[in-house]
Amino acid sequence: DAGVIQSPRHEVTEMGQEVTLRCKPISGHDYLFWYRQTMMRGLELLIYFNNNVPIDDSGMPEDRFSAKMPNASFSTLKIQPSEPRDSAVYFCASSTPGTGNEQFFGPGTRLTVL
Amino acid sequence: LAKTTQPISMDSYEGQEVNITCSHNNIATNDYITWYQQFPSQGPRFIIQGYKTKVTNEVASLFIPADRKSSTLSLPRVSLSDTAVYYCLVGPDQTGANNLFFGTGTRLTVIP
Repeated sequence: DAGVIQSPRHEVTEMGQEVTLRCKPISGHDYLFWYRQTMMRGLELLIYFNNNVPIDDSGMPEDRFSAKMPNASFSTLKIQPSEPRDSAVYFCASSTPGTGNEQFFGPGTRLTVL
Repeated sequence: LAKTTQPISMDSYEGQEVNITCSHNNIATNDYITWYQQFPSQGPRFIIQGYKTKVTNEVASLFIPADRKSSTLSLPRVSLSDTAVYYCLVGPDQTGANNLFFGTGTRLTVIP
């Protein structure tokens, strides 16, 4: 298996633009997680899905952020409009039930908002 | 929310055993203890997980005392490639993922 796939790996955009980050989880994994990592706040859980259904989005910073999982093999995290403070590395992770907290992380998308 | 406390940084020479201790005084009965490793510019990587006593795999050992209020990650004979940030997490399984908290981790530097 190729592992969790994220695209793009790097994104540079201007303030006010819409940004869409993409994730393909490991096949067969029922859980999908979106995280954000910054120097100041560390690694934060934004939202997670179980069987394509959002379970908890309490970590989403504000209404500018939205996430979808239209099918078991694809998820998006959208920021609209983007702001400089959204600059961070965004990770997607997936996992399977019965494994405690063993999650498989993707390589991340480094987002820079100018 | 069972938060964790671990040293911010540690240094070690190559070939030595490294022990990183994590405190989690408020651990709940159904919480697992999970350790991740993160290299620069990469996502965290699962290392080891346990509930009680001792767990060992090909990478590390995890020691958990009876009261489960702390845990120790043991890395045998570290090499330069073990330089990374190590996170201790405490929480129930994925169904309670909203309770997972990565914290700041321990930055391990292995010195030649």
